[in-house]
Amino acid sequence: GENVEQHPSTLSVQEGDSAVIKCTYSDSASNYFPWYKQELGKGPQLIIDIRSNVGEKKDQRIAVTLNKTAKHFSLHITETQPEDSAVYFCAATYSGGGADGLTFGKGTHLIIQP
Amino acid sequence: SAVISQKPSRDICQRGTSLTIQCQVDSQVTMMFWYRQQPGQSLTLIATANQGSEATYESGFVIDKFPISRPNLTFSTLTVSNMSPEDSSIYLCSVTGLAGVDTQYFGPGTRLTVL
Repeated sequence: GENVEQHPSTLSVQEGDSAVIKCTYSDSASNYFPWYKQELGKGPQLIIDIRSNVGEKKDQRIAVTLNKTAKHFSLHITETQPEDSAVYFCAATYSGGGADGLTFGKGTHLIIQP
Repeated sequence: SAVISQKPSRDICQRGTSLTIQCQVDSQVTMMFWYRQQPGQSLTLIATANQGSEATYESGFVIDKFPISRPNLTFSTLTVSNMSPEDSSIYLCSVTGLAGVDTQYFGPGTRLTVL
């Protein structure tokens, strides 16, 4: 089955700086890679996703890059703000027209220092 | 996106008892899933809730322990049976079929503590 590794487990950055979280996956058949933000006491919130036919996707301060050859994908947050503090999870799955459950990384606790 | 609700939001239960968690969506969805998130950990898929048929369980999860129902396209239940303290977790439902075939949205979760 799929295995997703996520690094770092904790990331502390100064407000206004950029943050990068990296994930690798094992199953070359995986073709859908979402990122979730989870705040304390809440369910995961989808913030951005990318499919295997695209190398990069951007949404305002958030971007995701995908390298299929190396089987890794990364989340980039620019101009970080205090409200970006949360736990971020990457995930991977094969989507073959239906929908399969997600395999998650272990999460990154992002801390924005004022 | 649709509104996904779960009941109860939290509960404290005695070992040996069972708890049924409900997941309700305000729009029809294609797929519904159940995940477990142990304290401070990541999410692990328990099963896919299939409408009108038996759920599909992941390795390590069995129907006797986690029976699932999905009577229609907007509702599903997960029961945690014969609970032990090791079952203390957040249980989350998720759905697809709202904005795209495989875009998955999560409910707020049910925080379960077993004493």
